[in-house]
Amino acid sequence: AQTVTQSQPEMSVQEAETVTLSCTYDTSESDYYLFWYKQPPSRQMILVIRQEAYKQQNATENRFSVNFQKAAKSFSLKISDSQLGDAAMYFCAYRSAEGNTGKLIFGQGTTLQVKP
Amino acid sequence: KAGVTQTPRYLIKTRGQQVTLSCSPISGHRSVSWYQQTPGQGLQFLFEYFSETQRNKGNFPGRFSGRQFSNSRSEMNVSTLELGDSALYLCASSYGTAMNTEAFFGQGTRLTVV
Repeated sequence: AQTVTQSQPEMSVQEAETVTLSCTYDTSESDYYLFWYKQPPSRQMILVIRQEAYKQQNATENRFSVNFQKAAKSFSLKISDSQLGDAAMYFCAYRSAEGNTGKLIFGQGTTLQVKP
Repeated sequence: KAGVTQTPRYLIKTRGQQVTLSCSPISGHRSVSWYQQTPGQGLQFLFEYFSETQRNKGNFPGRFSGRQFSNSRSEMNVSTLELGDSALYLCASSYGTAMNTEAFFGQGTRLTVV
């Protein structure tokens, strides 16, 4: 079975600085998708960034980028120029590309505090 | 385009009762998944429906059930509620026809069992 681990329960960053959130996963599959979701106090999960395992190039979305290390099964999220609105809980998630399913396996989450 | 709508937003039930939660997906989406979120267990997958058929099921007792209607709206039911069922229940919808489609989440239903 696949597992996702986020070892940092809480992180803090100064506004305008850069922060990196860690995520590791375990799987025996070769094809899969990895995601970072953001959950603000409003509770609605919002997709931040997605990475396909077959792509070697790291995904980027504006101020958000990932460092995907397939061999190490590591998938960290870097937030540059942090803004107050980035404060939220961040979840790393895994989805298999084998079998017809959209099931997401989530890590325990990292609460990010942004200090003004 | 309307997002994923979950009703009700908040619910308080007594132990032993049953509850039904509703999820209306984004128009055109045929896949609906349900997740339970608790501080202790985090986010756990309950089940997934696609075109009225259960496509995948998580490791939850049989008290948890769901269904999907022809208009893709989905309901989940929890019978004989226990205190441990208190959680945020999240619904996510997607087109479900390709493996890399994004899942869009609703704001959830906060269930409190007393």
